[in-house]
Amino acid sequence: QVQLQESGPGLVKPSETLSLTCTVSGGSISSSSYYWIWVRQPPGKGLDWIAYMYYRGNTYFNPSLESRVTMSMDTSRNQFSLRLSSVTAADTAMYYCARVYSSWPYYFDYWGQGALVTVSS
Amino acid sequence: DIQMTQSPSSLSASVGDRVSITCRASQTITNYFNWYQQKPGEAPKLLIYAASSLQSGVPSRFRGSGSGTDFTLTISSLQPEDFATYYCQQTYSSPWTFGQGTRVEI
Repeated sequence: QVQLQESGPGLVKPSETLSLTCTVSGGSISSSSYYWIWVRQPPGKGLDWIAYMYYRGNTYFNPSLESRVTMSMDTSRNQFSLRLSSVTAADTAMYYCARVYSSWPYYFDYWGQGALVTVSS
Repeated sequence: DIQMTQSPSSLSASVGDRVSITCRASQTITNYFNWYQQKPGEAPKLLIYAASSLQSGVPSRFRGSGSGTDFTLTISSLQPEDFATYYCQQTYSSPWTFGQGTRVEI
């Protein structure tokens, strides 16, 4: 059974950088069959994906956040990470990592439980 | 970006009711389309992929239909554990986008 677990600070100051890591167990992030993605959900609102990455290093960004996002993978630890710079209160959200089947129809089949990140001084 | 519009935004129903939720895409997405269920305090869960394929382990009372721009999620007989928010999603073109959600309440 594939499991994903987010980790990182729950409180980030405005203008600083949010950093989260997703640890994957029960499956390899080096698999050619999947992308690995970050999705966020502001309190009481809907879902938006942030960025996703393929084992070869290809990275795809949501244009609305691209200028502030960095994503990386550590295949030796079976982890992938997110960095979001220059955060504001609008970045307060539950952040999920998930696995995406990398062929049609690109569904998100496994999700982490989520990490709540609050941006506040 | 492709806009996904769900209706209704919320609905009230009773156990045993047949419930339908619709999702309309702003342009054709063929069947690059998925449905997710999210319960309070939990991560979303994949229910239906490719518009009509049931994800493994999902009860058969959930059915997805549609193609092109119009899609429907039907729950044939609502169970207590089905009270949740449901999201549609298109993966036809990037950025992949979700609908705003439909909350199913008692």
